[in-house]
Formats: sequence, C-alpha cells, structure tokens
Amino acid sequence: EVQLVESGGGLVQPGRSLRLSCAASGFTFDDYAMHWVRQGPGKGLEWVSGISWNTGSLGYADSVKGRFTISRDNAKKFLFLQMNSVKPEDTALYYCARDEGYQVGAIQHWGQGTLVIVSS
Amino acid sequence: DIQMTQSPSSLSASVGDRVTITCRASQDISNYLAWYQQKPGKAPKSLIYAASSLQSGVPSKFSGSGFGTDFSLTISGLQPEDSATYYCQHYKSYPQTFGQGTKLEIK
Repeated sequence: EVQLVESGGGLVQPGRSLRLSCAASGFTFDDYAMHWVRQGPGKGLEWVSGISWNTGSLGYADSVKGRFTISRDNAKKFLFLQMNSVKPEDTALYYCARDEGYQVGAIQHWGQGTLVIVSS
Repeated sequence: DIQMTQSPSSLSASVGDRVTITCRASQDISNYLAWYQQKPGKAPKSLIYAASSLQSGVPSKFSGSGFGTDFSLTISGLQPEDSATYYCQHYKSYPQTFGQGTKLEIK
C-alpha cells in the first residue's frame, strides 16, 4: 500500500524558513515523480512544485518560484520542500503526492497533508 | 501559464442522476488532463488521468472525455457518497494548474 506521510508543518513568522518532509513507503520511490500541492483555508487546490524521478526535471508555481525548493532523497525515500521567505499567503495544508509515472505528470496518490501557518 | 476554468462552480443533483462537469484550458493541452475528487476534511482522490483513463480502483460510473482545450467529467448513477468537490488539472507543462473546483451536492 502506498503511504505518504508529511511532517514539518507548524507556525512560522513571515520572512522565516520552514522545511517540509514526506516519508514514502509501499512503492519503489525512485521509479516515480513527486509533487507538492497546497490548499489554503477554504480555498481550492494549488499545485506548488514537482520533481521527476532523478531530479532532472523540476517545476514550480509562479507564486513560489525563487522562494521554495523541492528535492528528494531516493536512498532514504524522502521528498522535501524548503520554504524560504514565507508569506502569510503561504498559509495552507501542504500535500505530498506521488505521480503516476517517472516524469512529472498526473498525480496518483496523496498524503494527508501537513499544516503551515504563516503569522507573526 | 495555462489557465483552467471549470463550470459550473456548483451544482445540485438527485440520487440516480447523471451529471457532467466541464473544464476548459486557455490553450491546447492535448490530453494532459486529470480529474480529482475531494470530500470535506479529506485529502483529494485521483479519478482520471490522460483525460479519459480511470485510475486503478475508480468505479466505471466516472468517465472523462475531451482533447485540446475542452474536457468533461461525467458521473452516472449518483449516490450520496459522490457529494464532493471535483477539480481538473492540466499537466502539459510547468506550472501545472488546477481548475477552481466544482462542488457537487446530492439532494
């Protein structure tokens, strides 16, 4: 069974940094691309970032480009999102998600999310 | 960036009905289109990829169609558990973007 467990969320002040992690299990991690998707309070889904199986292809939403960095550790089966210079509008539930293939494409499996609150 | 526009924003239907949700892309995305279902307080669930291919385990009451800029999700034989918000998403290029969502209520 595919399991994706996010961690690292919490309360952070504007302008500070936070690192989200996602522990993957139940599948061959380095066979799949991965994503981060967020959902602000009462809002719809927003794709944040995606990374191919070998980190050869990376993509970001315009709203986070230059501030967030996605990465992965295939040996340890972890996905990360380094969030720098956070803003109040980054407040959201952040989902880790697995792609259906090795390049960044459609999402097939979702984690339960980790909540990030940006406030002073 | 490619914008995705869903319609309607919300709809109400009865048990047993069939409904169709549409999704329009601001430019040609071929068939790089996925659909997701999200129930209140839950993580999204993947329904369809490549515009019309069902994810494993998704019942055949869900079907998708379309190519280029116009797509649709049809749900037949509505049941109370189909009450949810449905999102389309393109993955033709970076950045991927979601539609604003369609909230389906079962009367």
